[in-house]
Amino acid sequence: DAKTTQPPSMDCAEGRAANLPCNHSTISGNEYVYWYRQIHSQGPQYIIHGLKNNETNEMASLIITEDRKSSTLILPHATLRDTAVYYCIVRVAAAGNKLTFGGGTRVLVKP
Amino acid sequence: DGGITQSPKYLFRKEGQNVTLSCEQNLNHDAMYWYRQDPGQGLRLIYYSQIVNDFQKGDIAEGYSVSREKKESFPLTVTSAQKNPTAFYLCASSINSGRANTEAFFGQGTRLTVV
Repeated sequence: DAKTTQPPSMDCAEGRAANLPCNHSTISGNEYVYWYRQIHSQGPQYIIHGLKNNETNEMASLIITEDRKSSTLILPHATLRDTAVYYCIVRVAAAGNKLTFGGGTRVLVKP
Repeated sequence: DGGITQSPKYLFRKEGQNVTLSCEQNLNHDAMYWYRQDPGQGLRLIYYSQIVNDFQKGDIAEGYSVSREKKESFPLTVTSAQKNPTAFYLCASSINSGRANTEAFFGQGTRLTVV
């Protein structure tokens, strides 16, 4: 699986949009971009995934650049409960659907 | 309710003892995974299984063993050969191991402390 690079931490004001960047410059054509988050001492929670097109669901939006070398997860209106570690992962079926986690971005939403 | 259940949530063992962590899912998922997480770190893959009676080593399999006798169950044994067993252990499952666009569901983890 392609390696991802994320900033180690970022702060966000409650009610504002949080934009979380991820670089995956070695991504190949059949790899999906996934985002998970982990609230302290809990199991990771799936957020969203995409291949080429931008995606949106009830939790977040995923913007993937045209060359697919980077992406941004957008939390449109951050709440205190969004404080967590956010992991960006790229994944291919040939790897047995394994998820390879990096260090993630520790997001702190402040009132 | 459908989901993936890990038990117990907290586990204490004496050094040198084997211990088995339970993971059960009722999601009818084919694939199951075990991860280890150390404080302030990301998750690292220990073992994974794509079908019943088959499993593969992940990145840090030494000192661990698994079995997959039933689709619903994927227990992990932490053996005495594991030099640093104290960690947070997470189990996950996914619907189809042959496709990349399927999400994985995680249990709430077991925090193992070896004293």
